[in-house]
Amino acid sequence: DVKVTQSSRYLVKRTGEKVFLECVQDMDHENMFWYRQDPGLGLRLIYFSYDVKMKEKGDIPEGYSVSREKKERFSLILESASTNQTSMYLCASSPGNQETQYFGPGTRLLVL
Amino acid sequence: GQNIDQPTEMTATEGAIVQINCTYQTSGFNGLFWYQQHAGEAPTFLSYNVLDGLEEKGRFSSFLSRSKGYSYLLLKELQMKDSASYLCAVRRGGGNKLTFGTGTQLKVEL
Repeated sequence: DVKVTQSSRYLVKRTGEKVFLECVQDMDHENMFWYRQDPGLGLRLIYFSYDVKMKEKGDIPEGYSVSREKKERFSLILESASTNQTSMYLCASSPGNQETQYFGPGTRLLVL
Repeated sequence: GQNIDQPTEMTATEGAIVQINCTYQTSGFNGLFWYQQHAGEAPTFLSYNVLDGLEEKGRFSSFLSRSKGYSYLLLKELQMKDSASYLCAVRRGGGNKLTFGTGTQLKVEL
């Protein structure tokens, strides 16, 4: 079974803090993705990566950055958290361009 | 640009059949996925269509018409555990980027 894990299920941070969300997949997938999910807006793509050290902006990259130093790990970074970044963050991975994405359990982030 | 529409909510009866529609307007269409998401959980893959027609998988079927920009997910013999959000997602271009609809919350009642 494909397993995608995320470092935390719930996280509470203060405005202005630097926040790291970690995602690890154990199936040697090339592609990894970060989404946020908000009521009424659905899943929106923040950043994605097709290979180690490679990253591309998704639809809503502002306020975020990412890091992919190893194939299995894709980190999402909030340089200075703001209240409008309170959301559910979902990581996903896929083995190739014609394959489905497999999602992690999500991290519910609250920024106070 | 990309625009994906699906109904916000639907209610159906246990044992019945329900059809969840998805219409899309997107450049570079390269396939459509359906995912199921239970409350508080991750989305899980249900089906994938890239060619026109019907794909059947047990109680679930998915249909695609590329010329009409239209897909539906058909759930038969509904069970209470089918109560969930159903997400339509379109792949764009040659990569594996997906654009998601806002999801349809299905409630199955006795």
